[in-house]
Amino acid sequence: GENVEQHPSTLSVQEGDSAVIKCTYSDSASNYFPWYKQELGKGPQLIIDIRSNVGEKKDQRIAVTLNKTAKHFSLHITETQPEDSAVYFCAASSYSGGSNYKLTFGKGTLLTVNP
Amino acid sequence: NAGVTQTPKFRILKIGQSMTLQCAQDMNHNYMYWYRQDPGMGLKLIYYSVGAGITDKGEVPNGYNVSRSTTEDFPLRLELAAPSQTSVYFCASSYLGSSGNTIYFGEGSWLTVV
Repeated sequence: GENVEQHPSTLSVQEGDSAVIKCTYSDSASNYFPWYKQELGKGPQLIIDIRSNVGEKKDQRIAVTLNKTAKHFSLHITETQPEDSAVYFCAASSYSGGSNYKLTFGKGTLLTVNP
Repeated sequence: NAGVTQTPKFRILKIGQSMTLQCAQDMNHNYMYWYRQDPGMGLKLIYYSVGAGITDKGEVPNGYNVSRSTTEDFPLRLELAAPSQTSVYFCASSYLGSSGNTIYFGEGSWLTVV
């Protein structure tokens, strides 16, 4: 089955700096890669996603890049703010039979933005 | 739109007790999921459903049961609670499957088994 590795597990940056979180996946057939943000005491919330036919996607201060050959994708947050502090999860969607796809999550990255 | 609603938010169970975590969504989504989240371990899929009357096992189904009698509701039942089931449980839903469709999560249910 699919295996998603996420690094680093913790990341501390100064406000205004950039943050980068990296994930690798094992199933070359995976075709959809979402990123979720989980604030303390809340459920995960989708912040950005990318499909396998696209190399990069941006949404204001966040961007995701995908390298299908190397099977890795990354989340980039620029001009970080204290409200960006949260746990971030990457995920990869792989085919699991019939008409079903399975979403496999990384173990998460705790991002702390220091004022 | 309330989205995905889970109850209870917190619960303490004794070993061997049973309980049901309730989940409801008001987005008319076909797919519903139950995940558990353990510290440093990400999210693991317990069970999922592709529509009313259809359920299937995820990665970690042992010790749990589900049912999907309506599109809106997807309760998770723990029959004989064990300490290993201490975790945070998230219910989620999506319109179609997880390939390219946003999964919406509930706020979570914190369960402690003592």
